[in-house]
Amino acid sequence: DAMVIQNPRYQVTQFGKPVTLSCSQTLNHNVMYWYQQKSSQAPKLLFHYYDKDFNNEADTPDNFQSRRPNTSFCFLDIRSPGLGDAAMYLCATRVAAGGVSSNQPQHFGDGTRLSIL
Amino acid sequence: AQSVAQPEDQVNVAEGNPLTVKCTYSVSGNPYLFWYVQYPNRGLQFLLKYITGDNLVKGSYGFEAEFNKSQTSFHLKKPSALVSDSALYFCAVRPPTGTASKLTFGTGTRLQVTL
Repeated sequence: DAMVIQNPRYQVTQFGKPVTLSCSQTLNHNVMYWYQQKSSQAPKLLFHYYDKDFNNEADTPDNFQSRRPNTSFCFLDIRSPGLGDAAMYLCATRVAAGGVSSNQPQHFGDGTRLSIL
Repeated sequence: AQSVAQPEDQVNVAEGNPLTVKCTYSVSGNPYLFWYVQYPNRGLQFLLKYITGDNLVKGSYGFEAEFNKSQTSFHLKKPSALVSDSALYFCAVRPPTGTASKLTFGTGTRLQVTL
């Protein structure tokens, strides 16, 4: 089945040690999103890519970076994780095209739960 | 600016009884509305959406939702709840303009179905 895959499912890192989370998709969707979710709260959008165009949310800390080397893969880099960055990180994709209204749902991966020691 | 309200943190219902999870929204123009479900340690799963047309939308796992424009509501319903429906439910809204426009989520409602 076509899907969104996040690796690893669980990641433990040390305070201040860089960490990279990965997301891959077989849906061939052109939009990819990264969300942070804490303690069953609503997901908080960090940034998204529309094709290769990167869109950062205004309140996303500089500590969070992203790369999208191709359509299928997207990475979340946390340069110096702090205790407050412990959370579930969700990747999502959506198909969007010029002239098509944005009524398609987002498809989510199962997330990576990040713990900071 | 768009917003979504889910007034109940938790809804408790007995198995076999009907369930309703409430959602109200605020957005300029005609909204696109979505419901997602999240099981423990999983991502969000799409349940259903309202774009236009019939106000009653049917989705996955027997869920449906009713769009009410005058009350700006989009409540999620199911005629007969199952214990396996116990999960966290999110309502979300997106304005119709912009091909990469963003979802705004509600705060979530935890549904607990008991025997």
